[in-house]
Amino acid sequence: RKEVEQDPGPFNVPEGATVAFNCTYSNSASQSFFWYRQDCRKEPKLLMSVYSSGNEDGRFTAQLNRASQYISLLIRDSKLSDSATYLCVVNLSGNTPLVFGKGTRLSVIA
Amino acid sequence: ETGVTQSPTHLIKTRGQQVTLRCSSQSGHNTVSWYQQALGQGPQFIFQYYREEENGRGNFPPRFSGLQFPNYSSELNVNALELDDSALYLCASSKQKLNTEAFFGQGTRLTVV
Repeated sequence: RKEVEQDPGPFNVPEGATVAFNCTYSNSASQSFFWYRQDCRKEPKLLMSVYSSGNEDGRFTAQLNRASQYISLLIRDSKLSDSATYLCVVNLSGNTPLVFGKGTRLSVIA
Repeated sequence: ETGVTQSPTHLIKTRGQQVTLRCSSQSGHNTVSWYQQALGQGPQFIFQYYREEENGRGNFPPRFSGLQFPNYSSELNVNALELDDSALYLCASSKQKLNTEAFFGQGTRLTVV
């Protein structure tokens, strides 16, 4: 079983749609969780951290369910500029490496 | 911009050759981690350097080696290149091994032919 598994994608959605990405992780001792965004041929960039209480940043909402070892990202009112690959990232502790999922590609279509 | 710079941005090498990739860490950062991202995959951890010492290694063969210099910049060396080494190589710098606050460079795209 892979350490971090994501929806395979790709997701092709019209502008204005709501889209949800799911991610599961295998190590129950993991402490930190993130969503990164990666544009084509660019480096990954931190989109948001994910907390047990859930967190929201504008059109983006992230949720963590520790019991199910499940992380989600919801994007509301999709924009063309949201087209990218979204990487689910898990960290056991601050000093250990980041563990990335394979990524889910999103294409928002006009 | 993150302040983490990598060079070169692209290069093409022949199977069996050796390559050196370079990373300048962000000012004030003493930790550099290297990741390999094959096409269609997420980044995979290669190794980390902290204050010039290797501080953790992923599942990569010994022909992947590295260095960190007193100014905390770093090199990744790959010997005996294989076709499967073709990937985007990313470095990330952070303070005090704190990977949860790492910043990535733009990457070096290596193609092995």
